[in-house]
Amino acid sequence: IQLTQSPSFLSASVGDRVTLTCRASQGISSYLAWYQQKPGKAPKLLIYAASTLQSGVPSRFSGSGSGTEFTLTISSLQPEDFATYYCQQLSSYPVTFGPGTKVDIE
Amino acid sequence: QVQLVESGGGVVQPGRSLRLSCAASEFTFSSYTMHWVRQAPGKGLEWVAVISYDGSNTYFADSVKGRFTISRDNSKNTLFLQMNSLRTEDTAVYFCALPYNSLDAFDIWGQGTMVTVSS
Repeated sequence: IQLTQSPSFLSASVGDRVTLTCRASQGISSYLAWYQQKPGKAPKLLIYAASTLQSGVPSRFSGSGSGTEFTLTISSLQPEDFATYYCQQLSSYPVTFGPGTKVDIE
Repeated sequence: QVQLVESGGGVVQPGRSLRLSCAASEFTFSSYTMHWVRQAPGKGLEWVAVISYDGSNTYFADSVKGRFTISRDNSKNTLFLQMNSLRTEDTAVYFCALPYNSLDAFDIWGQGTMVTVSS
């Protein structure tokens, strides 16, 4: 199952509302997760089962979607949110990740 | 707290082998599926392999199938990745990852270990 993410790169400002999109090549129900990764660090799980917020993750992050189209929304971008975001499908093996969206400071 | 620590990375020539380890602590290792994920320099995340809690089932990415083996020693709380016939394109940071408290998603990650395949 192939995942595509859009945009590949996003320039935004602190306080902006940001929406990232992930599309699957076939239906994956809600078997989708979102990760945040900063340079030199391991990925951090933000959302699983498409819309469940991982424990400890700020509520400004939210996920939605099912089937083939999914979104990650950051309601008010904070300085610590500038990072690369990956989606991941867990519907079937092989597990696959999207190519990522880099969120940079405008 | 729940922790994963990888080791075994290094520089190796093409065609040679390397074995990575992932030491687990502060959870019942023998009850959990475990994964390996890698990231080439400047690139995205690539899932590599998975092993079931008891080692009876494994799956691999097509890019490593037939060259890599995943195994575990539940008595020593350790996960392994045996990498044979290494290629330059296997150069990456290798992470072990655990779906601990998030259905199947990977909520626990190690810090990663760097593997460089170069002549």
